[in-house]
Amino acid sequence: DAKTTQPTSMDCAEGRAANLPCNHSTISGNEYVYWYRQIHSQGPQYIIHGLKNNETNEMASLIITEDRKSSTLILPHATLRDTAVYYCIVYHAGGTSYGKLTFGQGTILTVHP
Amino acid sequence: ETGVTQTPRHLVMGMTNKKSLKCEQHLGHNAMYWYKQSAKKPLELMFVYSLEERVENNSVPSRFSPECPNSSHLFLHLHTLQPEDSALYLCASSQDQGGYNEQFFGPGTRLTVL
Repeated sequence: DAKTTQPTSMDCAEGRAANLPCNHSTISGNEYVYWYRQIHSQGPQYIIHGLKNNETNEMASLIITEDRKSSTLILPHATLRDTAVYYCIVYHAGGTSYGKLTFGQGTILTVHP
Repeated sequence: ETGVTQTPRHLVMGMTNKKSLKCEQHLGHNAMYWYKQSAKKPLELMFVYSLEERVENNSVPSRFSPECPNSSHLFLHLHTLQPEDSALYLCASSQDQGGYNEQFFGPGTRLTVL
């Protein structure tokens, strides 16, 4: 699976949009971009995923660049409960990957009042 | 509440003890996973089960022994562990082991080995 690079930490004011970047310059054409987050002392939580089109759900939006070498997760109105570690993961659906999500260090997002 | 439960939530054991971690999913999924999260390290995949068959063993020492009696239950049997095995052990499930693979995680078991 392609390697991802994320900033170690970011801050955001409550009520503002949080934009979390991820670089995945070696992504291949059949690999998806997934985002999970992990709130302290809990299991990771799925947020969103995409292949090449931008995606939006009730939690967040995912913007993938046209060359697919980077993406941005957007939390439109961050709350204190969004403080967590956010993981960007590149995943090859099918094949012999057997659902192997490879978690990196992620980005620690701290939302301030 | 993700539909994946784990018991116990906390466990302290000695190096000579034998204990088991239990995971149950109420989502009708066919694939289940064990992950280990040590302090300040990324999550590491340990085992993958698909339709009760083990399909991945990520070079895990034999002192960790998984069991999947049916598609809803997953166990991790522990024996003669080392202090460095102290970690958060997370269980997850997904509809199947491939495909779009949204994984649902349990809250984890915090294990301390003395």
